[in-house]
Amino acid sequence: AQSVAQPEDQVNVAEGNPLTVKCTYSVSGNPYLFWYVQYPNRGLQFLLKYITGDNLVKGSYGFEAEFNKSQTSFHLKKPSALVSDSALYFCAVRPSSGSARQLTFGSGTQLTVLP
Amino acid sequence: ETGVTQTPRHLVMGMTNKKSLKCEQHLGHNAMYWYKQSAKKPLELMFVYNFKEQTENNSVPSRFSPECPNSSHLFLHLHTLQPEDSALYLCASSQDRGGRRDTEAFFGQGTRLTVV
Repeated sequence: AQSVAQPEDQVNVAEGNPLTVKCTYSVSGNPYLFWYVQYPNRGLQFLLKYITGDNLVKGSYGFEAEFNKSQTSFHLKKPSALVSDSALYFCAVRPSSGSARQLTFGSGTQLTVLP
Repeated sequence: ETGVTQTPRHLVMGMTNKKSLKCEQHLGHNAMYWYKQSAKKPLELMFVYNFKEQTENNSVPSRFSPECPNSSHLFLHLHTLQPEDSALYLCASSQDRGGRRDTEAFFGQGTRLTVV
């Protein structure tokens, strides 16, 4: 069965510093990988996805993520954090083929950017 | 806004009540989903509908009953719930025509359900 691990429940970073939110996955075959962000009292918003091609994917609000097949990772990054980036971040995986079709989410990482 | 609207935003219900959650999407998507979000836990997929047909039921208790009258609307009927069912219920939709899996899901703002 597929799974996603977000090893850090909480990440704190100072404004202006680079940030990384970690994600590792397990899936049969090639993965489709997604990052979503959730602000308080809101639903999830799509940030970016990896389907194929370049391992570095750029998304909304200056975020990017790097797909590393050997390490089965898809870490979310941003060169310079903003206070407004403070939110709950979810990584998700979906197998590109096979009988298991659905999107599987991690448990989320709360990012706090300190002014 | 994401194009997926959920009502109500907040709901408090007793264990003997019957209530319904509503979801509507204006994106022309063919697939719709119900997720349960509890604190510190991964999102739990509850039900999946594709072109109005239920394609997945992830061992959800029968006190949760979904209904999908058309591709734009999805309901979750609730009855005799338990306090542990208190959570944020999220609806989502995606364009999965032709068996595509690379499309992102769009989420509503959720219904915060409290069972007392």
